[in-house]
Amino acid sequence: SQTIHQWPATLVQPVGSPLSLECTVEGTSNPNLYWYRQAAGRGLQLLFYSVGIGQISSEVPQNLSASRPQDRQFILSSKKLLLSDSGFYLCAWSVLQGPYEQYFGPGTRLTVT
Amino acid sequence: AQSVTQLDSHVSVSEGTPVLLRCNYSSSYSPSLFWYVQHPNKGLQLLLKYTSAATLVKGINGFEAEFKKSETSFHLTKPSAHMSDAAEYFCVVTQDNYGQNFVFGPGTRLSVLP
Repeated sequence: SQTIHQWPATLVQPVGSPLSLECTVEGTSNPNLYWYRQAAGRGLQLLFYSVGIGQISSEVPQNLSASRPQDRQFILSSKKLLLSDSGFYLCAWSVLQGPYEQYFGPGTRLTVT
Repeated sequence: AQSVTQLDSHVSVSEGTPVLLRCNYSSSYSPSLFWYVQHPNKGLQLLLKYTSAATLVKGINGFEAEFKKSETSFHLTKPSAHMSDAAEYFCVVTQDNYGQNFVFGPGTRLSVLP
């Protein structure tokens, strides 16, 4: 069966510090990968998605970036965090061959102070 | 363009009573629809999905949803609420096979009273 991991589970970082969140998927090959952010009391916002190694598409302009160095690894980064980067970050994967629903990781709670 | 409306931001029911969470969608083509549940500080879990097969879809934990094209609705129901059902529920629509085009509703928070 497939599983998706995210770490760390929680993170408190000062403004201006760097960020690295990691997501890995097990039990599948060539997944599509997604990073979402969920701000307090709000819905999900798609930040990045990837259809293959090194292929990253950004949905919103921001000071965040994403990379996919391996088939089942997806990393979210920032060089300098802003207060507005606080939120709950969710990684998800899907396959194009139906069914193609998205499966979500446990999330990372980021607080920027 | 696609869109999703979840008509209630908060629904409160008593344990053992029925649950109805409403979802209406807008889509130019035949959509696929999903319901996800999110417990506090957890990831989203897929409850059920509609992908143009049977219009009445059964999911996990006793939930089901009915796709009604004429009403552009995909309401989520459960005959008897359990305390563990208290969570946030998201309705999602997509009209193609591309995950980046998933449109999430704003969510409905379900409270279950003892």
